[in-house]
Amino acid sequence: GAVVSQHPSRVICKSGTSVKIECRSLDFQATTMFWYRQFPKQSLMLMATSNEGSKATYEQGVEKDKFLINHASLTLSTLTVTSAHPEDSSFYICSARLQGPYNEQFFGPGTRLTVL
Amino acid sequence: GIQVEQSPPDLILQEGANSTLRCNFSDSVNNLQWFHQNPWGQLINLFYIPSGTKQNGRLSATTVATERYSLLYISSSQTTDSGVYFCAVGWGYNTDKLIFGTGTRLQVFP
Repeated sequence: GAVVSQHPSRVICKSGTSVKIECRSLDFQATTMFWYRQFPKQSLMLMATSNEGSKATYEQGVEKDKFLINHASLTLSTLTVTSAHPEDSSFYICSARLQGPYNEQFFGPGTRLTVL
Repeated sequence: GIQVEQSPPDLILQEGANSTLRCNFSDSVNNLQWFHQNPWGQLINLFYIPSGTKQNGRLSATTVATERYSLLYISSSQTTDSGVYFCAVGWGYNTDKLIFGTGTRLQVFP
């Protein structure tokens, strides 16, 4: 149980284009999902909290107009990187919080974005 | 904000050896998880352990919340244990959010 999927696993795009990444909780409902970014040999940095049916909450320094988040259902959150540039190249990972007495998060396999 | 430091940053072991990884945090936490990130980037949940001790096979973890640290023990290490180990904590008013530690990169050789 508690499986999270991401699609696509890898994407290469040209500078200036937009890229959408999907995050799905496959066997549970998640009112809250999270998006992280990880640069090579570094730790994970939280970008934003995605709340079902309401606006996302962004961490300080993360541009909300550049990283659009939509959480339209209890099993799906999407992250759109708009007008991508080479500096946006990174490993993007989503997680979903399992509802219950604990705040345990389960993570997707990640999406590697390369912007040329 | 809270600081989460892990030690050692790198660890090289021969198969069969035991190891202890440490996670120190600078403030009280309500949530602590240990993860293993495999070479393909997938984060695998090891323990949800805001306090106390848990064991799962060759792995065990202990969190002493009052002293602001957690330990992950790996016994009889195997090459498949290689990867990066992260602790992550939830703190403050919004314990949903996880702040990740600096990580320990483990390499196990046959």
